[in-house]
Amino acid sequence: QSMLTQPPSVSAAPGQKVTISCSGTSSNIGKNYVSWYQQLPGTAPKLLIYENNKRPSGIPDRFSGSKSGTSATLGITGLQTGDEADYYCGTWDNSLGVVVFGGGTKLTVL
Amino acid sequence: QVQLQESGPGLVKSSETLSLTCTVSGYSISGGYYWGWIRQPPGKGLEWIGTIFHSGGTYYNPSLKSRLTISVETSKNQFSLKLSSVTVADTAVYYCARDGQGHTMVDYWGQGTLVTVSS
Repeated sequence: QSMLTQPPSVSAAPGQKVTISCSGTSSNIGKNYVSWYQQLPGTAPKLLIYENNKRPSGIPDRFSGSKSGTSATLGITGLQTGDEADYYCGTWDNSLGVVVFGGGTKLTVL
Repeated sequence: QVQLQESGPGLVKSSETLSLTCTVSGYSISGGYYWGWIRQPPGKGLEWIGTIFHSGGTYYNPSLKSRLTISVETSKNQFSLKLSSVTVADTAVYYCARDGQGHTMVDYWGQGTLVTVSS
């Protein structure tokens, strides 16, 4: 069972905006930076967002991140069919002493 | 450009030891950062296994700790995973990766290697 909670799936039309939530606790999201990963089918995850809202070089500004309290959110605007993937949030859990991930959210661009 | 590449057997028998090696190119492991392993059972989510610093300091997932050894060989710019007494539940794609900052982000990933545990 994942320590961070994400919706199993989200969907939206091309060009639209979608948000993916990630809910945790005071021992993980509440105290640490959150990162987000995109996993295209059959490939390794790729870092999308780090330190809650920063984008690595090469990640378009269509992708954004935010955090409030014990929850974090990934936003994707101007959806493209190429954005169809699984998205994971992750952070460190101070109480458990492990990196915890969300269960993943499958994005469908209709 | 930092690149990581996993290598090792793709099939392991139940009760035996799973061994994988990650070869890093484009960055010296001795330069810093934690290096580690993450796995993903078929059709499921990500599970963090553990990390190691170039000096040998480790962080292990408590759920795997009794069976787990992560080691580093800086002269070869490699680090390794050994997981003993495997069961079919250990069947997964195993990724080696670089921890980019205090275990809150993984900035580089290997392509992953599927390890199947046969009963």
